[in-house]
Amino acid sequence: GAVVSQHPSRVICKSGTSVKIECRSLDFQATTMFWYRQFPKQSLMLMATSNEGSKATYEQGVEKDKFLINHASLTLSTLTVTSAHPEDSSFYICSARDLKEANEKLFFGSGTQLSVL
Amino acid sequence: TQLLEQSPQFLSIQEGENLTVYCNSSSVFSSLQWYRQEPGEGPVLLVTVVTGGEVKKLKRLTFQFGDARKDSSLHITAAQTGDTGLYLCAPPRGHKLIFGTGTRLQVFP
Repeated sequence: GAVVSQHPSRVICKSGTSVKIECRSLDFQATTMFWYRQFPKQSLMLMATSNEGSKATYEQGVEKDKFLINHASLTLSTLTVTSAHPEDSSFYICSARDLKEANEKLFFGSGTQLSVL
Repeated sequence: TQLLEQSPQFLSIQEGENLTVYCNSSSVFSSLQWYRQEPGEGPVLLVTVVTGGEVKKLKRLTFQFGDARKDSSLHITAAQTGDTGLYLCAPPRGHKLIFGTGTRLQVFP
């Protein structure tokens, strides 16, 4: 089955610094990838849709200048948390859809645990 | 905004017990997916239900889509510790997937 690789799996950074998270589709091309955020004991909240070669589409309430998304190729999307603060500490998960798969199946990365000190 | 309310929010049971979790909405969906997420991992698709009233079985898991396609349930028979995780329902909406509020299941030995 399709595999989505997310890196790093865990990152700790100081307040005010920026952190970049990568999401790669390993054996398929993904024109669209999705970024989710998950706080402890909560569900996944969709942050934005990353579109290859064009601007990302952000969900209501998500600051586009804070969470920069770049989807420069058909296999790579990046999420950069700029000027991170402790309240940005969360589990970030990316996903991508393999268009060859039936039933609109999404494949998820294994997530990135961000801790901002 | 999450359109899907899942209940219960938390469930803690002993191995061997049966359980049912629910996914409810006021909206009608063309299809609904169920995922399970284990700690520190991404969600994994369990099933997609499409037809109102549809019942799908996956070993000890039974999924049902409501007749009106507004709700769904997941029944687990003889729960095992390996069933522990966060269960999420989500209707595919075009390209996007918006998850329900989730049910966190803990199965104790």
